[in-house]
Amino acid sequence: AQTVTQSQPEMSVQEAETVTLSCTYDTSENNYYLFWYKQPPSRQMILVIRQEAYKQQNATENRFSVNFQKAAKSFSLKISDSQLGDTAMYFCAFPNTGNQFYFGTGTSLTVIP
Amino acid sequence: KAGVTQTPRYLIKTRGQQVTLSCSPISGHRSVSWYQQTPGQGLQFLFEYFSETQRNKGNFPGRFSGRQFSNSRSEMNVSTLELGDSALYLCASSAGQLGGTQYFGPGTRLLVL
Repeated sequence: AQTVTQSQPEMSVQEAETVTLSCTYDTSENNYYLFWYKQPPSRQMILVIRQEAYKQQNATENRFSVNFQKAAKSFSLKISDSQLGDTAMYFCAFPNTGNQFYFGTGTSLTVIP
Repeated sequence: KAGVTQTPRYLIKTRGQQVTLSCSPISGHRSVSWYQQTPGQGLQFLFEYFSETQRNKGNFPGRFSGRQFSNSRSEMNVSTLELGDSALYLCASSAGQLGGTQYFGPGTRLLVL
């Protein structure tokens, strides 16, 4: 069974600084996808970034980038130039072959002005 | 394109009642997944419907059921409500291919008294 682990329940970062959120997962599949979603206080889940496991290149989306280490089954999210609007719960997610998404327990990120 | 919509947004019910939640996916999306989010259990997959057929099912009792209509709109029903069913219920739509991004609705917050 697939598992997703986020070991940092809470993190904080100063505005304009950089922060990295960790995620590890377990799977026996070779081709798969990984996601980061954010859930601000409004509770709306918003896609942050998507990574395809067969691609060597780490995905980037503006200030958001990932460090994908396939052998280590690690998928961390780096947020550069943190903004107050980045304050949210961040979830790492991983769909199985049946397209059922498994979510980590989340990391609550607070950006401090 | 319009996003995923869910109705109602808030609901208060009493134990033993039943409830029906509705989800309208993004136009063109054929897959709708339902998740339950609680502080204790996090995000848990309920089921996925694709082209009016249940394609995946999570580990929830039979009191939780769903269906999908020909226009891809989906409903989720919970019968004989229990206090523990109080949660945020999230619906997500996707095109349906493996690893496709799931786009979430704003959720329905259900409180069972």
